[in-house]
Amino acid sequence: GAVVSQHPSWVICKSGTSVKIECRSLDFQATTMFWYRQFPKQSLMLMATSNEGSKATYEQGVEKDKFLINHASLTLSTLTVTSAHPEDSSFYICSAYRGGANVLTFGAGSRLTVL
Amino acid sequence: DAKTTQPTSMDCAEGRAANLPCNHSTISGNEYVYWYRQIHSQGPQYIIHGLKNNETNEMASLIITEDRKSSTLILPHATLRDTAVYYCIVRVTSGTYKYIFGTGTRLKVLA
Repeated sequence: GAVVSQHPSWVICKSGTSVKIECRSLDFQATTMFWYRQFPKQSLMLMATSNEGSKATYEQGVEKDKFLINHASLTLSTLTVTSAHPEDSSFYICSAYRGGANVLTFGAGSRLTVL
Repeated sequence: DAKTTQPTSMDCAEGRAANLPCNHSTISGNEYVYWYRQIHSQGPQYIIHGLKNNETNEMASLIITEDRKSSTLILPHATLRDTAVYYCIVRVTSGTYKYIFGTGTRLKVLA
């Protein structure tokens, strides 16, 4: 079945540093990927839509300079949290759209803790 | 954007059918209904989706009302491993697709 791999699964960093999270579709090509964040006991919040070869589209209220998204190939999208602060601590989840199946497949998520 | 409304929580006895309702009264004609579930601290897992007709796969059945304003996800024989948060999503089509999550239903399957 279709698999989306996300790495790292958890990361701890110091305040002020940048963290990169990778999202890979392992056995299919994804022209569109989505990034979500989730706080404890809350639902997933869509952050941005990432299209291969073009700039990401950010949801209202999401700082594009804070959360840099790159979708350089049909199987890889990256989210970089720049100058991370404790309030950026969250569960970040990526997903990739499989056009043939008309389904969104999610990665396992990356838990970021900023000290 | 089409919104969904789901009960906050439900309990179901193990081995019985779990029926999870979803209201999406503002759905447009070309918008699909998707169901995902999320087990604690994992990424959401796809269950099923549909447009107008009822759908069934190895995991569940999806019943969509004729006016498409609501749907029900049916897990025919719930097990303890089905305990999760279930999300009903209407996929928004505005240039590109967007999957907007609501608050979901926390299903607890009881032994």
